[in-house]
Amino acid sequence: QVQLQESGPGLVKPSETLSLTCAVSGYSISSGYYWGWIRQPPGKGLEWIGSIYHSGSTYYNPSLKSRVTISVDTSKNQFSLKLSSVTAADTAVYYCAREEATRVHDYWGQGTLVTVSS
Amino acid sequence: QSVLTQPPSVSGAPGQRVTISCTGSSSNIGAGYDVHWYQQLPGTAPKLLIYGNSNRPSGVPDRFSGSKSGTSASLAITGLQAEDEADYYCQSYDSSLKVVFGGGTKLTVL
Repeated sequence: QVQLQESGPGLVKPSETLSLTCAVSGYSISSGYYWGWIRQPPGKGLEWIGSIYHSGSTYYNPSLKSRVTISVDTSKNQFSLKLSSVTAADTAVYYCAREEATRVHDYWGQGTLVTVSS
Repeated sequence: QSVLTQPPSVSGAPGQRVTISCTGSSSNIGAGYDVHWYQQLPGTAPKLLIYGNSNRPSGVPDRFSGSKSGTSASLAITGLQAEDEADYYCQSYDSSLKVVFGGGTKLTVL
């Protein structure tokens, strides 16, 4: 059974960098698939942030591309998200998920709320 | 404004059939990209409901079905149950090189 678990600070100050990690169990990241991040502002819909292929190739939402970095650590079987220069608009529940070639997200983490506030 | 358009809400009585539409354009659904559907119960992560336009993952009841035609897709739920009350999202891929979601539809079981 594939399981994903997000971790990271729940509170980030404006203009700083949001950093989250997604630990994967039950499947080896290096074996394949894309690994993605999706966010959901409180009371709103889902927004795809980006994803990384197991080989390290990255794909970002053009609207966030200038601020986003996704990386993978196959030795720890985890992947990470960095979002720079955050504002209150970046306050959201952040989910990590496994993404197939058709871009379907078949396994999701439980999500972690990140609040941007001073 | 979401790239894929869904009705904000739909409702139905137990046992009835409801459908949720997802309208896109020639750069996403109409370009041939697959549509996927997710169910999000309150306070939980989205769960994959339909993939590849009309396929159900193991464990999803056959009361849920998906279809796609042209630039639109639909999710149908038959034999509505109280436990189906949730938010539903469609998702596809866009030629602008990104994954896109619909704005979500809140299903109320009357």
